[in-house]
Amino acid sequence: AQSVTQLDSQVPVFEEAPVELRCNYSSSVSVYLFWYVQYPNQGLQLLLKYLSGSTLVESINGFEAEFNKSQTSFHLRKPSVHISDTAEYFCAVKGGGADGLTFGKGTHLIIQP
Amino acid sequence: EAQVTQNPRYLITVTGKKLTVTCSQNMNHEYMSWYRQDPGLGLRQIYYSMNVEVTDKGDVPEGYKVSRKEKRNFPLILESPSPNQTSLYFCASSQLGELFFGEGSRLTVL
Repeated sequence: AQSVTQLDSQVPVFEEAPVELRCNYSSSVSVYLFWYVQYPNQGLQLLLKYLSGSTLVESINGFEAEFNKSQTSFHLRKPSVHISDTAEYFCAVKGGGADGLTFGKGTHLIIQP
Repeated sequence: EAQVTQNPRYLITVTGKKLTVTCSQNMNHEYMSWYRQDPGLGLRQIYYSMNVEVTDKGDVPEGYKVSRKEKRNFPLILESPSPNQTSLYFCASSQLGELFFGEGSRLTVL
């Protein structure tokens, strides 16, 4: 079985500042890792994913995440946030086989002007 | 356009009155799933389906039923809703582990 821990329920940052949203997972098998974003009153959208290959993955809107197997982490970063990045961010893990995704409890990113 | 469609988007009902939330996907995905989202708890899986006529319980299946008679549809049934089922529900379909979500159905049980 897998589990995901998002260490911060809320992260307030000022606009144009850098941000890191932390995610740690546990799994006994190889994993796929995902970050999903949920804007206010909307469903979840895939932000980025790690399946294999390069441990650093990037999204089209400037976010990146690095898979660190030794630390079982998949932290999400952005060097300079914008007010439009205000949203709930969910880290998720999929283990091998038929299991669906296991989600963390989410981190609310609050951008302050 | 590839999408997952849920209906209704909003519903207020009373305890014990059976209801069904429909879900349909047009991506020919074999895997479909239902989640509920509650403040401070994130998303929790209710049921999932690997293919037609194959369904299985997720983490919080109590009080829910599902069926998968066709590949594209995966309705969620609440036979006798209770107030603790007030929540935001998401249907999703999956390809290679990546979930595609519907817009959500906000259910209030009085």
